[in-house]
Amino acid sequence: NAGVTQTPKFQVLKTGQSMTLQCAQDMNHNSMYWYRQDPGMGLRLIYYSASEGTTDKGEVPNGYNVSRLNKREFSLRLESAAPSQTSVYFCASSATGTGKETQYFGPGTRLLVL
Amino acid sequence: AQTVTQSQPEMSVQEAETVTLSCTYDTSESDYYLFWYKQPPSRQMILVIRQEAYKQQNATENRFSVNFQKAAKSFSLKISDSQLGDAAMYFCAYRSGATSGTYKYIFGTGTRLKVLA
Repeated sequence: NAGVTQTPKFQVLKTGQSMTLQCAQDMNHNSMYWYRQDPGMGLRLIYYSASEGTTDKGEVPNGYNVSRLNKREFSLRLESAAPSQTSVYFCASSATGTGKETQYFGPGTRLLVL
Repeated sequence: AQTVTQSQPEMSVQEAETVTLSCTYDTSESDYYLFWYKQPPSRQMILVIRQEAYKQQNATENRFSVNFQKAAKSFSLKISDSQLGDAAMYFCAYRSGATSGTYKYIFGTGTRLKVLA
């Protein structure tokens, strides 16, 4: 039982390049989330998926796209990376409607855009 | 919209002593959840404790307990018998209840806790 996994762990991009961050969970959770963490700003929600087949914007969606590929996987795509997207990205998942809602986080992806 | 505020950017505590981290939130909802997460230098986010708003009893987990004041919209975390391994960034978080139809979590900006030997 791996919980929430993210790949890659670290990535360096040049401005304008694209990339996809992968996330998978094996806890059969309905909801999945992408956050970015910047110094002094806590975690800010980029996109989330309440259930398979649905996605919604969070607080800072500009410059990102997501795909909920199936119940297990939720990817985050940067189409044209910008230095402002240098950050640590966390994927999380949670069960919903169970009365035991708690988010479980992946280990994070550190992204540097030059 | 809901907000979560952590007004203490940094706190220090002597090993074996007790420390309280503050969190206030703003909401018009009556059904919600509150959480404290710990983020050590490894960056892994770890759930410390969770509180359901409908429960009057304060949640406890070993050395960690909360003081949940619903009317005051306050949710503080008390760490007793502090250990060096408690040194980390602590985040307070809010999530609406099931009746809201939304599943977003809102995080505060965090409090960095230093534990002094």
